[in-house]
Amino acid sequence: DAKTTQPNSMESNEEEPVHLPCNHSTISGTDYIHWYRQLPSQGPEYVIHGLTSNVNNRMASLAIAEDRKSSTLILHRATLRDAAVYYCIQGYGGSQGNLIFGKGTKLSVKP
Amino acid sequence: GAGVSQSPSNKVTEKGKDVELRCDPISGHTALYWYRQSLGQGLEFLIYFQGNSAPDKSGLPSDRFSAERTGGSVSTLTIQRTQQEDSAVYLCASSYRGAKNIQYFGAGTRLSVL
Repeated sequence: DAKTTQPNSMESNEEEPVHLPCNHSTISGTDYIHWYRQLPSQGPEYVIHGLTSNVNNRMASLAIAEDRKSSTLILHRATLRDAAVYYCIQGYGGSQGNLIFGKGTKLSVKP
Repeated sequence: GAGVSQSPSNKVTEKGKDVELRCDPISGHTALYWYRQSLGQGLEFLIYFQGNSAPDKSGLPSDRFSAERTGGSVSTLTIQRTQQEDSAVYLCASSYRGAKNIQYFGAGTRLSVL
């Protein structure tokens, strides 16, 4: 079962920042936090991942709480193309490195 | 560059028939994963290959499901005697140099069993 908790849905306006929260209260010291997103009719797409420090890449930023029990994915300026289901994933399912997906957060972006 | 390619993109079959789903990973990626996405179950992991070897097949839903990978590249997921509950989108992902790396997903094969 997925070990993370996310809101079912969120709405944003185009060109505004979006903060997508995730709780992972059972996270261990070696578990990375991964974010993937799934656009309609496509496979999941990697967004970002981190362990302890905040992380930035061209797609998004990841802010990780000091106790690592929660994190926030930040899209700095939402576009219509960012409308997707965002999955926050704690660690891996096992030594095989499989991802365990929860239900994710469905992000809607209004023009 | 080319991403993960899956074929067919859609497959409609009759209950009881066998189907083969194909995945062509990104060149040079040694790890390959199969997942299934259905309305009731969400996205679930099926099987992992490192090279041509699948060390653990316990994620496959039943013995009607099998998978193989040849030449460290293309993988085929076979479902025998399909049932209506097999209807789902079957997704393939690959990653570079093994497990616990970023996974790149294909667009999936939508299987409909009538």
